Amino acid sequence: DAGITQSPRHKVTETGTPVTLRCHQTENHRYMYWYRQDPGHGLRLIHYSYGVKDTDKGEVSDGYSVSRSKTEDFLLTLESATSSQTSVYFCAISALSEQFFGPGTRLTVL
Amino acid sequence: AQSVTQLDSQVPVFEEAPVELRCNYSSSVSVYLFWYVQYPNQGLQLLLKYLSGSTLVKGINGFEAEFNKSQTSFHLRKPSVHISDTAEYFCAVREETSGSRLTFGEGTQLTVNP
Repeated sequence: DAGITQSPRHKVTETGTPVTLRCHQTENHRYMYWYRQDPGHGLRLIHYSYGVKDTDKGEVSDGYSVSRSKTEDFLLTLESATSSQTSVYFCAISALSEQFFGPGTRLTVL
Repeated sequence: AQSVTQLDSQVPVFEEAPVELRCNYSSSVSVYLFWYVQYPNQGLQLLLKYLSGSTLVKGINGFEAEFNKSQTSFHLRKPSVHISDTAEYFCAVREETSGSRLTFGEGTQLTVNP
């Protein structure tokens, strides 16, 4: 257990509304990641962070933004949710040459 | 850029049978390789990893994988599966030059039947 929590765990929202997902870690790891998981696509990297206020895009970053104002929190924001963003979102941290994953957030956009 | 292909999207087997889940990768530089398992409604858990050294890697729950550089493969094997091994399995690769970023395969659903 790498001390990673995600909130909320489940969310249903409507198209066009903003949504923020939170990832919290307790062990001061430098690298944090946001992935989305969809059937047939595995996990795809959305954004990642390599320190406070240091972030970069992954392979599927369109429609998403992130912020990291403190080491322990990494926020993922959907500025205007669309149905194509219905997915399961996982946060991860990097430690000991591997990544550890949070429990996931299931987001449904109606 | 690296890529990962898991050759089977679904693998059904009977309990106590052997299983192999196939993974091939593409990269122009040295890589590190990982297998993760995801049980229903849970996050991902590391099964095993190859960083360097022996090409045969042993992991948790009796799984092992062999790194074959010439065939760019990292297949996962277990000699005798249990019902509890039913889960989705993901192969992932990290290039030496990409920092800590992982690229995942599409996943293989292993279903163990009694």
